Amino acid sequence: AQKVTQAQTEISVVEKEDVTLDCVYETRDTTYYLFWYKQPPSGELVFLIRRNSFDEQNEISGRYSWNFQKSTSSFNFTITASQVVDSAVYFCALSGKGAQKLVFGQGTRLTINP
Amino acid sequence: DAMVIQNPRYQVTQFGKPVTLSCSQTLNHNVMYWYQQKSSQAPKLLFHYYDKDFNNEADTPDNFQSRRPNTSFCFLDIRSPGLGDAAMYLCATSRDRLSLDYGYTFGSGTRLTVV
Repeated sequence: AQKVTQAQTEISVVEKEDVTLDCVYETRDTTYYLFWYKQPPSGELVFLIRRNSFDEQNEISGRYSWNFQKSTSSFNFTITASQVVDSAVYFCALSGKGAQKLVFGQGTRLTINP
Repeated sequence: DAMVIQNPRYQVTQFGKPVTLSCSQTLNHNVMYWYQQKSSQAPKLLFHYYDKDFNNEADTPDNFQSRRPNTSFCFLDIRSPGLGDAAMYLCATSRDRLSLDYGYTFGSGTRLTVV
């Protein structure tokens, strides 16, 4: 069975602080995909990144960076110099090759205070 | 722009009164999904279509049905909505479940209220 754990239910930081959202996953598939989505109060799921299991390179996109470590089954997300607009619920998700669904973690509610 | 469109954005229905939520896509993707997301919870897959092939999740209640009349449209029917069915319903598409590299595109969701 596939499982995604986001142990941090809520995080609150002051603007400009760096913040890391943790994601740990479980799967027996050798080929799988990991995702991060942002869900603002309006409700839509905004795609942030997709990573396949063969690509362990870390990625940086502006203030966002992702650290993928197969050895610890983790796919953590860091926001550098956080801004109020980063406030949202963030979901980590997993999908196996040929699988038909995304398995989501429970989400982390991130609040950036001015 | 190619996208996934859900209508309506907000839907209020009466307890026990059938309701239909709509999803359309211009991406020409083979697979369409319906997820249910209750307040403060993660999205949960209800079912999906691979082309015309319907795939139900084992724990999806019989109260939920779906139709896909063509590639572009998919509907979620709730036959007798209960208060517990109030949720955000998210439609998503993907090009092909067998592809080595594929992604999901989500619609903006329909927030259903049952009164």
